[in-house]
Amino acid sequence: RKEVEQDPGPFNVPEGATVAFNCTYSNSASQSFFWYRQDCRKEPKLLMSVYSSGNEDGRFTAQLNRASQYISLLIRDSKLSDSATYLCVLVYNFNKFYFGSGTKLNVKP
Amino acid sequence: GAVVSQHPSWVICKSGTSVKIECRSLDFQATTMFWYRQFPKQSLMLMATSNEGSKATYEQGVEKDKFLINHASLTLSTLTVTSAHPEDSSFYICSASGARGTNEKLFFGSGTQLSVL
Repeated sequence: RKEVEQDPGPFNVPEGATVAFNCTYSNSASQSFFWYRQDCRKEPKLLMSVYSSGNEDGRFTAQLNRASQYISLLIRDSKLSDSATYLCVLVYNFNKFYFGSGTKLNVKP
Repeated sequence: GAVVSQHPSWVICKSGTSVKIECRSLDFQATTMFWYRQFPKQSLMLMATSNEGSKATYEQGVEKDKFLINHASLTLSTLTVTSAHPEDSSFYICSASGARGTNEKLFFGSGTQLSVL
């Protein structure tokens, strides 16, 4: 079983739509969680950390549900520039990083 | 923020040659560095994890004699693709962790596109 499972998509949404991605994980001892964004042929870049209390950064909201072992990313009012692949990452034992396979988002005009 | 420098960005080489890719942490000591590769339209695939001064740990299916990893210092790790063949053509990315106060965060190099003719 994979450490992290993520729907590869693609999610095709119109501009202005709200879209959400989930990532499930198998190791309940996982300590930290992050969402990264990767543009085509570029390196992944940290989008935001994920906390149990939830955190928001502008149009982006990240949530962690430890009981059900998943994390989520919500994007409101989608922009064309949001088109990218979104990767969830979890950290175990402080130095073991596990990546989801990435969810591709296409925002259409 | 922490910066990881990776070069070269592009490599085109003949089949059978070896290619070295460098990954440097510029403003922090990277206790752990990771090497990934990514084929077109696919996700990142972790190849190996290296800790400074010790042998790299390779993921299942990755040939350690084919992909030589050296992490001799806290700021430099290298990946050498030995006797490269066209099927090794891919996008290779390194990442590093260990920045002070950000041990759990990963910082990525900009990637190397390898094309083997």
